[in-house]
Amino acid sequence: DGGITQSPKYLFRKEGQNVTLSCEQNLNHDAMYWYRQDPGQGLRLIYYSQIVNDFQKGDIAEGYSVSREKKESFPLTVTSAQKNPTAFYLCASSRDIMGYEQYFGPGTRLTVT
Amino acid sequence: AQKVTQAQTEISVVEKEDVTLDCVYETRDTTYYLFWYKQPPSGELVFLIRRNSFDEQNEISGRYSWNFQKSTSSFNFTITASQVVDSAVYFCALSEASGTYKYIFGTGTRLKVLA
Repeated sequence: DGGITQSPKYLFRKEGQNVTLSCEQNLNHDAMYWYRQDPGQGLRLIYYSQIVNDFQKGDIAEGYSVSREKKESFPLTVTSAQKNPTAFYLCASSRDIMGYEQYFGPGTRLTVT
Repeated sequence: AQKVTQAQTEISVVEKEDVTLDCVYETRDTTYYLFWYKQPPSGELVFLIRRNSFDEQNEISGRYSWNFQKSTSSFNFTITASQVVDSAVYFCALSEASGTYKYIFGTGTRLKVLA
């Protein structure tokens, strides 16, 4: 089945630790995205990637980093510099960056204490 | 400036009622795309529909229908004979086709369908 997988579903970390969230897609999509969603809020764009080996900052990139070494993978690292990392993180992909629907993974709920 | 407004924060209806979720957008582009997504309690957003700015035909898919009106910059979503499984947060989104990447989500409308 084609789709997007994110792992793990729940993640717990101590303050000061970096943590990497996984995102894999087998839809053969060029574009991939990372969003953050806080309780009762909408989606905020962290990073996006139009193509392999290229990525751009979104609206709230500070304290996060990404890589796009393979078309199907777009991992997100939440660094210790992120002030409020506890949130629900959603990965998405689309055929292209302009004008296409995005397909989302199941999300990772990160809790940092 | 680009903007998507979903003024209804939360709506509650009784099962079998019809309900309309409003979406108003702002854009200077003549070519753009509009979307609706559903986010059930599990958290994963599900794509429902994509509409381009040159196609104002209304769309119907089962109990779902969408009304796109460029004159009022609106792309409203109606669920007919609502069911408990329709309970979710619904997001409207806008993507412009020119310039730098822009994909803007509204703040969402939480729909509660009561049995």
